[in-house]
Amino acid sequence: DVKVTQSSRYLVKRTGEKVFLECVQDMDHENMFWYRQDPGLGLRLIYFSYDVKMKEKGDIPEGYSVSREKKERFSLILESASTNQTSMYLCASTTGLLYGYTFGSGTRLTVV
Amino acid sequence: KQEVTQIPAALSVPEGENLVLNCSFTDSAIYNLQWFRQDPGKGLTSLLLIQSSQREQTSGRLNASLDKSSGRSTLYIAASQPGDSATYLCAVRNTGRRALTFGSGTRLQVQP
Repeated sequence: DVKVTQSSRYLVKRTGEKVFLECVQDMDHENMFWYRQDPGLGLRLIYFSYDVKMKEKGDIPEGYSVSREKKERFSLILESASTNQTSMYLCASTTGLLYGYTFGSGTRLTVV
Repeated sequence: KQEVTQIPAALSVPEGENLVLNCSFTDSAIYNLQWFRQDPGKGLTSLLLIQSSQREQTSGRLNASLDKSSGRSTLYIAASQPGDSATYLCAVRNTGRRALTFGSGTRLQVQP
């Protein structure tokens, strides 16, 4: 089975800190995604990557950046964390057009 | 822009009942539709993936159907159990788009 691993289950950071959320998949998938999930707003796409060093903005990229230096790893970066970035962050990967998505277990980020 | 709607938003049933969760989408130009389960505070677990050319998929007590032309999918859960209590999300992958579009979910509670 494909495994998507998010490095932290819970994080607490201070306002203004630079925050890195890491995601690793073990099945050589070319596509990787970062979503955030908030009550009442559902899952919203932040960024995705379709190859090493390739990225595209999703629906809510403001305040975030991403890095994909190796195929298996996709990092989400909060340049200067703010309290409105407190959320559940979910990473996913997939390959090809006809395959399903596999999600990680999520990172609950609290910015204080 | 694709919109995905799930009805009902919440559902409570006694153990043993058969139940149906509904998902509708506005744009029928999809590659596939995927049903997920999410336990509180956790990531998404894939349940079933239906390709646009398929009518249904089955896994154990779960059966998902797809009517692409009318923009509808249903998830049927047979003989529900308390362990089925979770939020169920449907998501579609549109042609020409790499990311999924999610519904807001149905929160299911199965009473023992």
